[in-house]
Amino acid sequence: DQQVKQNSPSLSVQEGRISILNCDYTNSMFDYFLWYKKYPAEGPTFLISISSIKDKNEDGRFTVFLNKSAKHLSLHIVPSQPGDSAVYFCAASGGSGAGSYQLTFGKGTKLSVIP
Amino acid sequence: AAGVIQSPRHLIKEKRETATLKCYPIPRHDTVYWYQQGPGQDPQFLISFYEKMQSDKGSIPDRFSAQQFSDYHSELNMSSLELGDSALYFCASSSRQGLEKLFFGSGTQLSVL
Repeated sequence: DQQVKQNSPSLSVQEGRISILNCDYTNSMFDYFLWYKKYPAEGPTFLISISSIKDKNEDGRFTVFLNKSAKHLSLHIVPSQPGDSAVYFCAASGGSGAGSYQLTFGKGTKLSVIP
Repeated sequence: AAGVIQSPRHLIKEKRETATLKCYPIPRHDTVYWYQQGPGQDPQFLISFYEKMQSDKGSIPDRFSAQQFSDYHSELNMSSLELGDSALYFCASSSRQGLEKLFFGSGTQLSVL
């Protein structure tokens, strides 16, 4: 059963516009959320994260919003650039003990930014 | 800056053969994680090590084993390979001071024929 869901396998956005990538989770024990960006033939690269005690975290063009009651988070990229074209993975961690450091990933959303 | 290094980048094996994947974490990182990503799938956690001891176990088959050595590098040993083992295997590392994010290697693409 997928605990982290990214329901949009792909997204196309015009350069300069906003990209919004969505992620839903089911496990209420998750308390830390991360976004990873992956280019072909490379490993995932950490992008931005948010703790469950916050509802927003911003880093340059990237902002992550967390709605705990809806178990939903989103990544906003403004303005979108062609170099942002990649697969974006949502990941979550939480719980107690050593398992809290393992990440549960979504299936990813392929973002294409059109020049 | 040094990153997580995995070797080999690509590996082709036949059914029932064995394979060994290697992972060299970022210097001073003491925790290593292994993930398996099948075609069109999300990365699945396999196993992790902290200070050379297994710290957590995910969906790792009994045919697989792993260990972390004194220099903190890790090896994933896979025996009796099956077609379904064909996947991209990622290693990631972190330090206890940086729990909130993992740094991934580029992965090893294993193809079982």
